[in-house]
Amino acid sequence: DSGVTQTPKHLITATGQRVTLRCSPRSGDLSVYWYQQSLDQGLQFLIQYYNGEERAKGNILERFSAQQFPDLHSELNLSSLELGDSALYFCASSVFGGAEGNTIYFGEGSWLTVV
Amino acid sequence: AQSVTQPDIHITVSEGASLELRCNYSYGATPYLFWYVQSPGQGLQLLLKYFSGDTLVQGIKGFEAEFKRSQSSFNLRKPSVHWSDAAEYFCAVGLPGGGADGLTFGKGTHLIIQP
Repeated sequence: DSGVTQTPKHLITATGQRVTLRCSPRSGDLSVYWYQQSLDQGLQFLIQYYNGEERAKGNILERFSAQQFPDLHSELNLSSLELGDSALYFCASSVFGGAEGNTIYFGEGSWLTVV
Repeated sequence: AQSVTQPDIHITVSEGASLELRCNYSYGATPYLFWYVQSPGQGLQLLLKYFSGDTLVQGIKGFEAEFKRSQSSFNLRKPSVHWSDAAEYFCAVGLPGGGADGLTFGKGTHLIIQP
């Protein structure tokens, strides 16, 4: 158990809908990351927050957005869903925001199926 | 931009045999290096990491990895595999210098264990 908690574990939704994925980081971690894992794209970095502020942005679509709240939990919002958004979405957390000495721990992921 | 290559998509090893999974990176300096394992339906578990110092690093579950600067490699090894090692293995790099782009992952190597 990495200490990173993600909910829901599985969800199925229809095209055009909107979903919210939730993540609680490990105790003491200030940085939260979101990754998408799909068969064709592999593991893709989406976005990072550090202590409530957006720190880095990767291959995140405009239909997707995220935020980190004062209690450090984070939410990833996916809207106008398409079939191609079906994937495993990972949340990860770390103590630091930068790379020095930074170890990133992953949750078990949220499986999203768009039908 | 940095990249990570795992040349072997699948590897089949007999139980009890030794294992080596290859990882090469492309980056102008020495990045931080990680190996993660993903069991079916599970999240990513950190096996080991290299930040600096001794180029041979020990991890959990009997794994080790050796950083070779001259070859830009960070290969994962285990002297004797167990059936429970069957999983997907990912090599990843993080950037020094305060980079906050999360990790860049290789495409993964699927390890199959033959009885």
